[in-house]
Amino acid sequence: DAGVIQSPRHEVTEMGQEVTLRCKPISGHDYLFWYRQTMMRGLELLIYFNNNVPIDDSGMPEDRFSAKMPNASFSTLKIQPSEPRDSAVYFCASSLEAGGPNTQYFGPGTRLTVL
Amino acid sequence: AQTVTQSQPEMSVQEAETVTLSCTYDTSESDYYLFWYKQPPSRQMILVIRQEAYKQQNATENRFSVNFQKAAKSFSLKISDSQLGDAAMYFCAYRINFGNEKLTFGTGTRLTIIP
Repeated sequence: DAGVIQSPRHEVTEMGQEVTLRCKPISGHDYLFWYRQTMMRGLELLIYFNNNVPIDDSGMPEDRFSAKMPNASFSTLKIQPSEPRDSAVYFCASSLEAGGPNTQYFGPGTRLTVL
Repeated sequence: AQTVTQSQPEMSVQEAETVTLSCTYDTSESDYYLFWYKQPPSRQMILVIRQEAYKQQNATENRFSVNFQKAAKSFSLKISDSQLGDAAMYFCAYRINFGNEKLTFGTGTRLTIIP
């Protein structure tokens, strides 16, 4: 399997611009997660989906952030408008099922820089 | 709320020696999983080992083993015969067994291997 695929790997944008990050989970995985990693806050969950339905979005920082999963093989995280404090590495992860020993497999991350 | 604490921001070990990374956590739950993830310079998050709270036997994966002390809420990672490829950030993470798939991460320990 190709693993979790994220694009782009790097994104540099200017404040105020819209940014869209993309994720393709591992085929057959029912759960998809978006995490953000910063020096100040570490790794934190933003949102996760089960069977394309958002389950917990309590980690989404504010209304400028939105996430969608239109089908089982694709998800987007959008920031509009972007701000310098959004600069971070954004990870997508997927897992087969809920609970138990099910492992979350992470993608390579997207490093976002907002100037 | 669950918290995960890694009190060692940095550790170093001589190649071929053994090193132990510390992790403590706080939870009121009794049924949960604990994980160690490795993040090398490539940025990819890789699962190293996991432990179910109800299992008394400590998990092992080749050169990696854990010391799980449930009463003390401690979950340390031991790396034996350290290799240059073990150099990375190591993150301890917690997840309840069922009900919410969120992984709560510690702040990480940077491990350096000295040749």
